[in-house]
Amino acid sequence: EDKVVQSPLSLVVHEGDTVTLNCSYEVTNFRSLLWYKQEKKAPTFLFMLTSSGIEKKSGRLSSILDKKELFSILNITATQTGDSAVYLCAVEVQGGTSYGKLTFGQGTILTVHP
Amino acid sequence: NAGVMQNPRHLVRRRGQEARLRCSPMKGHSHVYWYRQLPEEGLKFMVYLQKENIIDESGMPKERFSAEFPKEGPSILRIQQVVRGDSAAYFCASSQRGYTEAFFGQGTRLTVV
Repeated sequence: EDKVVQSPLSLVVHEGDTVTLNCSYEVTNFRSLLWYKQEKKAPTFLFMLTSSGIEKKSGRLSSILDKKELFSILNITATQTGDSAVYLCAVEVQGGTSYGKLTFGQGTILTVHP
Repeated sequence: NAGVMQNPRHLVRRRGQEARLRCSPMKGHSHVYWYRQLPEEGLKFMVYLQKENIIDESGMPKERFSAEFPKEGPSILRIQQVVRGDSAAYFCASSQRGYTEAFFGQGTRLTVV
C-alpha cells in the first residue's frame, strides 16, 4: 500500500524563524510529489516536484526532492503569521488508472506566533 | 476563470437521509477527483472520474456511496442513508490532464446528526 509520512505533525515558531517540513514516501511507480497549503478551506497548490535535486522556489518557500532517499523537504524562511496553516504532502503514482490520484500524508500543522 | 466550485459549502443531514455534493471543475478541466478528510486526518482519495466515466473508484466505500460526472453539468458525489461516520469534509479537485497538478475546491462539510 502506498504510504506518505510527514514530520513533524505540528510545529510552533515565532515570526522570523525558518522552518523545515519533511515528507517521506513509499510508493510504487512514483510520478511526482506535491505540496499544498491548507488553511480553513481548500488546499492551495504550492509545488510539484518530479526530478531529484532541483530546488523549486516561490518567494520565501522552497522545496526539493530526493528520489534516492524517497523524501522531500519544504523550507519556509522568515516565517510570518500568515504562514500558519496545515502543510500537506502528496504523492502521485503513474500507470494504469492512477493518473492524478494523490496519496496524502497526514499534514504538518504550522503555527507562527507574532 | 473561476476555480473549482463546490456546493453546498455546509450540509446537515439526519441519519438515513441522502446527501448530494456537487463539484464544477475549473474551465477546461476534464478530470475530477473526490477526497474525504475526516477530523484530524489527512485527505483520502475516493474516486477519479472523467466525463461520463469512472476511472478509479478504489477509495469509495462499497455501499451507499456513488459518483458520476455527466456529459453536461457538475460531478455529483451521492451518499445514501448517511450515518454519523460520514461526517467529514469532502473535497473535489480537478486537473487539465491526469498527470498535471490538481486544484481543489473549497470543500463541502457534511454533518450527520
